[in-house]
Amino acid sequence: RKEVEQDPGPFNVPEGATVAFNCTYSNSASQSFFWYRQDCRKEPKLLMSVYSSGNEDGRFTAQLNRASQYISLLIRDSKLSDSATYLCVVKNTGNQFYFGTGTSLTVIP
Amino acid sequence: GAVVSQHPSRVICKSGTSVKIECRSLDFQATTMFWYRQFPKQSLMLMATSNEGSKATYEQGVEKDKFLINHASLTLSTLTVTSAHPEDSSFYICSASRSTYGYTFGSGTRLTVV
Repeated sequence: RKEVEQDPGPFNVPEGATVAFNCTYSNSASQSFFWYRQDCRKEPKLLMSVYSSGNEDGRFTAQLNRASQYISLLIRDSKLSDSATYLCVVKNTGNQFYFGTGTSLTVIP
Repeated sequence: GAVVSQHPSRVICKSGTSVKIECRSLDFQATTMFWYRQFPKQSLMLMATSNEGSKATYEQGVEKDKFLINHASLTLSTLTVTSAHPEDSSFYICSASRSTYGYTFGSGTRLTVV
């Protein structure tokens, strides 16, 4: 079983829509969780960390459900510039970081 | 802060030659750096964990004699692709962690072997 699993999409949504991505992880002892954004042919960049209590950064909301071992990212009022691949990343106790395969988002005018 | 510089950004080499990629942490010391490879439309795949002053730890299926990693200082790790072949053409990315809260990636190196 993969350490981290994501729905690869693609998600094609109109501007202004709300879209949610989910990610599941297999190791219940995982310590830290992140969402990264990767634009085409570029390196991934940290979008936001995911905290147990949930956290929000502008139009982006991240949530963690430890009992069900999943992480979510919600994007409200989608912009064209949000088009990218969103990577779920999990850090385990061994200081290893594991990446999901990424979810592709295209925001359509 | 937490800047990671990777060089070169793009390289084309002939089949059978070797290519060295450098990864530097510019404003912090990184005892551990990671090397990833990404094929088109696929996710990042961890190749190896580079440890300063010791041997790198390679992921299953990654040939350590082909992908030589040297981490001689706290700010520099190098990946050498030896005897490169067209199937080695890929996007190679390094990263380093400054804290327990995620890590920073280099800008990547696009390797094309012809």
